[in-house]
Amino acid sequence: KAGVTQTPRYLIKTRGQQVTLSCSPISGHRSVSWYQQTPGQGLQFLFEYFSETQRNKGNFPGRFSGRQFSNSRSEMNVSTLELGDSALYLCASSRSGQGTYEQYFGPGTRLTVT
Amino acid sequence: KQEVTQIPAALSVPEGENLVLNCSFTDSAIYNLQWFRQDPGKGLTSLLLIQSSQREQTSGRLNASLDKSSGRSTLYIAASQPGDSATYLCAVNAGNNRKLIWGLGTSLAVNP
Repeated sequence: KAGVTQTPRYLIKTRGQQVTLSCSPISGHRSVSWYQQTPGQGLQFLFEYFSETQRNKGNFPGRFSGRQFSNSRSEMNVSTLELGDSALYLCASSRSGQGTYEQYFGPGTRLTVT
Repeated sequence: KQEVTQIPAALSVPEGENLVLNCSFTDSAIYNLQWFRQDPGKGLTSLLLIQSSQREQTSGRLNASLDKSSGRSTLYIAASQPGDSATYLCAVNAGNNRKLIWGLGTSLAVNP
């Protein structure tokens, strides 16, 4: 079956703009988690959605938000972009809550903020 | 607060060597631990998941062990190949909200 897909794969934005990233989970998976990966901080958890509800949230400012649709596809939005938001954004899907079952990751969206 | 550390940060070995990657965590109250592989420019691939009640898991040339009492996990790679070159990450599932806490990874280069 098809894996986790993320669009777009690469994105260049300028400071102050906003951006929306999309993630389509594996068919049948209801949990989608988002992570930010930077060389210095490694992988950091942003939030998790399950059945259209945000179930867990990491320690990121309110500029980072997300949502999940009835077909389990998820979007992540970052408003008022800052240079420090440049990172690889990964989403992962699993059958249930993150960590309870194996998570399957997409290839990521590389965001560059100039 | 749970913290995950991976040592070494980078490793370079000749092809055919057996090697061990280390992962340590500060809080032994975990639900499970996962090892992932990340290739440049790509997402993460789950290699092995060890539940808190298990001591080890094996998949092909990979063997992961878990010692909760000492807060350690090791990933053993037998007969390494150039295709094993990647960054290996461990992640701990701990805490009431069960979010994954990640190490910074070990960058492995297997030289032909």
